[in-house]
Amino acid sequence: EVQLVESGGGLVQPGGSLRLSCAASGFTFSSYSMNWVRQAPGKGLEWISYISSSSNFIYYSDSVKGRFTISRDNAKNSLYLQINTLRVEDTAVYFCARCESYYTGSVSPIDYWGQGRLVTVSS
Amino acid sequence: EIVMTQSPATLSVSPGERATLSCRASQSVSSKLAWYQQKPGQAPRLLIYGASTRATGIPARFSGSGSGTEFTLTISSLQSEDFAVYYCQQYNNWPPFTFGQGTKLEIK
Repeated sequence: EVQLVESGGGLVQPGGSLRLSCAASGFTFSSYSMNWVRQAPGKGLEWISYISSSSNFIYYSDSVKGRFTISRDNAKNSLYLQINTLRVEDTAVYFCARCESYYTGSVSPIDYWGQGRLVTVSS
Repeated sequence: EIVMTQSPATLSVSPGERATLSCRASQSVSSKLAWYQQKPGQAPRLLIYGASTRATGIPARFSGSGSGTEFTLTISSLQSEDFAVYYCQQYNNWPPFTFGQGTKLEIK
């Protein structure tokens, strides 16, 4: 059974930093691309970052570029999101999510999601 | 960036009836369109990919159609567990992956 379990998060002051982790199991983690998607309270889904299976390709949304860093450790079956210079508008549930990428450059839709982790940015 | 627009924002339907949800892309996404269901406090669940292919374990009452810029999710006979928020997402022109703003399907 595919499982994605996020950890980290919590209450952070504006300007602060934190790191989210996502532990993967039930599939060959090193064969899949991974994403972070967030959802502000009562709002819709916002994709924020992608990392390919071997970390060769990394992308960010404009809203987080320069402040967020995605990384992975295939030996530990883990995905990470380092978040710096937090803003109130970064308050959201952060989901890690799996997709596949193909040699053509195309990708599959996101097929599995973690349960999410709430990050609250407030003074 | 491709903008995805869903309509209506809220849809009120009685159990047993049919629900039709729409999703429009600001430019063609071919058939690379997915639908997700999200219930309160839960992660989204993949329902449909490739515009019309049901994901594993998804009941046959869920169907998707469309290509290019116009897409539809149809739930043929609503069950109580189907009342949720539904999102469409394009994965043709990326990054970024873009989602619609969601349609809340509520009990009439």
